[in-house]
Amino acid sequence: NAGVTQTPKFQVLKTGQSMTLQCAQDMNHNSMYWYRQDPGMGLRLIYYSASEGTTDKGEVPNGYNVSRLNKREFSLRLESAAPSQTSVYFCASTRTGAGNTIYFGEGSWLTVV
Amino acid sequence: GESVGLHLPTLSVQEGDNSIINCAYSNSASDYFIWYKQESGKGPQFIIDIRSNMDKRQGQRVTVLLNKTVKHLSLQIAATQPGDSAVYFCAEAEPYNFNKFYFGSGTKLNVKP
Repeated sequence: NAGVTQTPKFQVLKTGQSMTLQCAQDMNHNSMYWYRQDPGMGLRLIYYSASEGTTDKGEVPNGYNVSRLNKREFSLRLESAAPSQTSVYFCASTRTGAGNTIYFGEGSWLTVV
Repeated sequence: GESVGLHLPTLSVQEGDNSIINCAYSNSASDYFIWYKQESGKGPQFIIDIRSNMDKRQGQRVTVLLNKTVKHLSLQIAATQPGDSAVYFCAEAEPYNFNKFYFGSGTKLNVKP
């Protein structure tokens, strides 16, 4: 049981390049999330998926797209990376509803130069 | 978005003492809150949660107190240990939507041996 696995762990991009962050969970969770965390800040929700086949915007969706490929996988795509997207990205998952623990991945450190 | 803030950015305590980390929230309709612990280089880890129909909830060495009158919650850690050193975040669920959480900026807890 690996929990939430995200790749890559580290990535350096040039401005304007595109990339996809991959996330998979093996806990049969319905809900999956992508957050970003800037230095000294809390996490901000980019997008979430309450169930397979659905996605919704969070607080800071601009510049990102997501795909809920199946129940296990939820990817985050940067179509044209900008320096403002330099951040640590966390994927998370949970069973839907209060009282269910949200499990986070280990994070992906992205630098856009 | 919601405003979830922490009063103290850094807290230093002596090993064995009790720690209290505070958090304020802005939406009186919020009904679900979670405390997370984040160790350096890792993803946040669930500690304890509380619904708005409670004012206190206890876990192992941790207690969360909720004061709805002043929109404040706190995390108390008993007999603080070096392994408790981390950044602690409170998170507030958007009312009626347990899929969206708003995080505070975090409090760094330093435990001195």
